[in-house]
Formats: sequence, structure tokens, C-alpha cells
Amino acid sequence: AQSVTQLGSHVSVSEGALVLLRCNYSSSVPPYLFWYVQYPNQGLQLLLKYTSAATLVKGINGFEAEFKKSETSFHLTKPSAHMSDAAEYFCAAGTGGFKTIFGAGTRLFVKA
Amino acid sequence: DAGVTQSPTHLIKTRGQQVTLRCSPKSGHDTVSWYQQALGQGPQFIFQYYEEEERQRGNFPDRFSGHQFPNYSSELNVNALLLGDSALYLCASTVLNEQFFGPGTRLTVL
Repeated sequence: AQSVTQLGSHVSVSEGALVLLRCNYSSSVPPYLFWYVQYPNQGLQLLLKYTSAATLVKGINGFEAEFKKSETSFHLTKPSAHMSDAAEYFCAAGTGGFKTIFGAGTRLFVKA
Repeated sequence: DAGVTQSPTHLIKTRGQQVTLRCSPKSGHDTVSWYQQALGQGPQFIFQYYEEEERQRGNFPDRFSGHQFPNYSSELNVNALLLGDSALYLCASTVLNEQFFGPGTRLTVL
């Protein structure tokens, strides 16, 4: 069965530190990979998406992710965390227009 | 351009009741998907509608049904509510392999 696994339900970083949120997908997962952010009591906002055009994908708010087929990974990074980055982050996989499979989410805490 | 809108924002029901949630996609988007997000979990795909037909369905019982109207808006109906149906229900409209999510409807079943 297709699956997306996010390593670590909670990640805490200091403001200005590197953010690294980990995501692994099953090898049978369709070709599109996404990262979404969810702020409290809000819907999901797309940060970035991988559609096989380039392995390093740049998104909004300074986030980027690298697709590594050999490691079946799609980790999300940001060089310098900001307080406003505190939120829930979801890795997801799908065909884009059809069924999308989400990971369980990682809550990012940013300490002042 | 208005984004995806959902109504109501919050809803409280009791076990056994029926509920209808509504979604209006972004202008020009003809595909609508519904997701259930239980507390502390990622969204789970319920089903997707395109051209007023259910195109794909996730692992949800028949108590969950939907409809899409000619203007592409959609409804999600849940019958015989269970406590476990309490969740945030998200609607997403799709174009060019990208999904745009609404703010969700928070359903509480008592």
C-alpha cells in the first residue's frame, strides 16, 4: 500500500536555526510529492511540490525540499527559522489531481 | 478571486444524526475532493467529484456520500453519525495537479 511517513511528530528549533522536517514515501507512491503547512484552525496551504522537473524544489517562505529517489525521501528544510514558521507541516503524495496521501504531520515549535 | 469556501465553520451533532457540509471551489475549478482530518492526524481522502460524478473514493463507509452540482460546488453528507466522525472536514479544489484547500468545517459529534 502507498504510504507517507513523517519522522518525528514534534520538532523544536531556536529562532534562526536550521529547520529540517523529514519525510519518506513508499516506492509505489505516485510521482507527485507535496509539503503543506497548517496554522491553527485553518486549512492547508501548499508550500511546495515536486513534479519530476527538478529534484531540488523551492517553495514559499524560504522553504525548499529535495527529492532523493535512492532514499525515497523528500525532506523539507529552511536555513533560518522564524517565529512565524511555528505550525503543523504535512508531507503528501499523489497524482496531483486525484487521491492524495498525507503523512501524520510534524508540529514545528520555534523558540525565541 | 475568492478561494475555496466551506460552510458551516463549526457544527455540533449528536450520535445517529445526519449532517451536510458544503464547499464552493475556486472559480474555474471543476474538481472537488473531500478529506477528513481527525485530531492530531493527517487528512484522509474521502472521495473526489468531477463533472458531478464520484471519480475516486477512499476507505470510508457508505455512510459518507457526496454530490457535486453543475456550478461545481459540492456537498458531503454523513449519515448515522458516530463519535469517531468528529473531525475537521476539508474540501479541496484542483487544477493543474495542485489542490487548493478550504478552511474546513469542524464537526463535533456528542
